[in-house]
Amino acid sequence: SQTIHQWPATLVQPVGSPLSLECTVEGTSNPNLYWYRQAAGRGLQLLFYSVGIGQISSEVPQNLSASRPQDRQFILSSKKLLLSDSGFYLCAWGSLGGHHGYTFGSGTRLTVV
Amino acid sequence: QQPVQSPQAVILREGEDAVINCSSSKALYSVHWYRQKHGEAPVFLMILLKGGEQKGHEKISASFNEKKQQSSLYLTASQLSYSGTYFCGTVPPNDYKLSFGAGTTVTVRA
Repeated sequence: SQTIHQWPATLVQPVGSPLSLECTVEGTSNPNLYWYRQAAGRGLQLLFYSVGIGQISSEVPQNLSASRPQDRQFILSSKKLLLSDSGFYLCAWGSLGGHHGYTFGSGTRLTVV
Repeated sequence: QQPVQSPQAVILREGEDAVINCSSSKALYSVHWYRQKHGEAPVFLMILLKGGEQKGHEKISASFNEKKQQSSLYLTASQLSYSGTYFCGTVPPNDYKLSFGAGTTVTVRA
């Protein structure tokens, strides 16, 4: 069966520090991968999505970037965090066409101080 | 383009029904529905791929009016476990981008 792993679960980082969040999927190949951010009490904002290795689509211009170095690995990065980067970061995967819905990882709660 | 959800919040007593609406200003390939419990990740409920298609999950069902670019989620005979925030997600034709509405918070009370 397919599983999605996301870590760390929580993270407290100072302003200006770098960020690297990792997401991996098991049990499937060539998944569509997504990064979402959710501010406290708010909706899900799509940040990046990828349909293949090295293929990244950015939805919101900001100081975040994403990479997909391997088929089932998706990384979210920042060189210098801002206070506004705080939030709940969720990775998700879906099969081609998304006919079976998308599965979310357990999320990383990031607090920038 | 994010879909628009309504209402923002609804409070129910056990056994009552509710409808959550989702509309898009653009053509849709599919509509997804998810439920998120506090502090947890969203969980997939169902996907609707064709106009007029209706699907169900327990006593939760949904419809999709492709022409009107709208979908509705129906909570029937609500249970305490139905509490949470419901999100609709839309995918445009020839795309893989799943965009979510702002969510509808459902509170079911005994």
